Amino acid sequence: DTAVSQTPKYLVTQMGNDKSIKCEQNLGHDTMYWYKQDSKKFLKIMFSYNNKELIINETVPNRFSPKSPDKAHLNLHINSLELGDSAVYFCASSRHQTSGTDTQYFGPGTRLTVL
Amino acid sequence: KQEVTQIPAALSVPEGENLVLNCSFTDSAIYNLQWFRQDPGKGLTSLLLIQSSQREQTSGRLNASLDKSSGRSTLYIAASQPGDSATYLCAAGSNYKLTFGKGTLLTVNP
Repeated sequence: DTAVSQTPKYLVTQMGNDKSIKCEQNLGHDTMYWYKQDSKKFLKIMFSYNNKELIINETVPNRFSPKSPDKAHLNLHINSLELGDSAVYFCASSRHQTSGTDTQYFGPGTRLTVL
Repeated sequence: KQEVTQIPAALSVPEGENLVLNCSFTDSAIYNLQWFRQDPGKGLTSLLLIQSSQREQTSGRLNASLDKSSGRSTLYIAASQPGDSATYLCAAGSNYKLTFGKGTLLTVNP
C-alpha cells in the first residue's frame, strides 16, 4: 500500500540510450512532480503536472519528456542519455498545487547511472 | 527567483542535546515552508509544514518556526537521539513548486 511508488529503483545504462522511469501514486492527489537530486545531494524540481496538465518545466533539456496518462501516473522518458544525467530522480505528489496546507509525498527514488 | 539556504551544512552532537537547524529564503511570497528528513539512500519524509499565516508547528520533539518577513525558519529538535541522524531539508513553497535548500547533515552520537 505504498503511497508513491517508482520503478525501477536502480537503472544502469550506456550513454546515448533511451530510458523511462515510471511513477504511480494511490493517494488520489491532483498534482505530481519530478525532482532531480544530483551528486551533491541538491534537490531541484524538473516538472510539475496538475490533473495531467504540464504546469512547470524548469528549463530541463528537451531530451526529458514527462507523460501523464492519468492523474495517478507521471512517467519520465529520457532520450540520448548523457553522463550528466546520472542522479537520483524522485517523483512526488500533493493533493493540490498551491494550497498552503498540502505537503508533498515523495517516492523512494530511482538511481540512474549513465556509463 | 527563490533561493533557500541552510546552515550549518553539517552538525554533530552528543545524544540528549537540544539543537537548532536554520533555513533562510529570499522571496517572502511563500504559501508554506516545509521541513523534510532524508535517510541515506531513501526518499524524503515530511516532518512539519508551516502555512504562511502560521508562526510555528510542533510534532513530538520537533518544533519549526517561521518568520516570513525576515525570510527565516528554524527547526528545533529536543533531546536528540541517534535515530535522528539524517539529512534535514527545508523547502519553500511558492510559484507552484517547492524550492529546496541543500540540507543539514545531522549526526547524533550515542
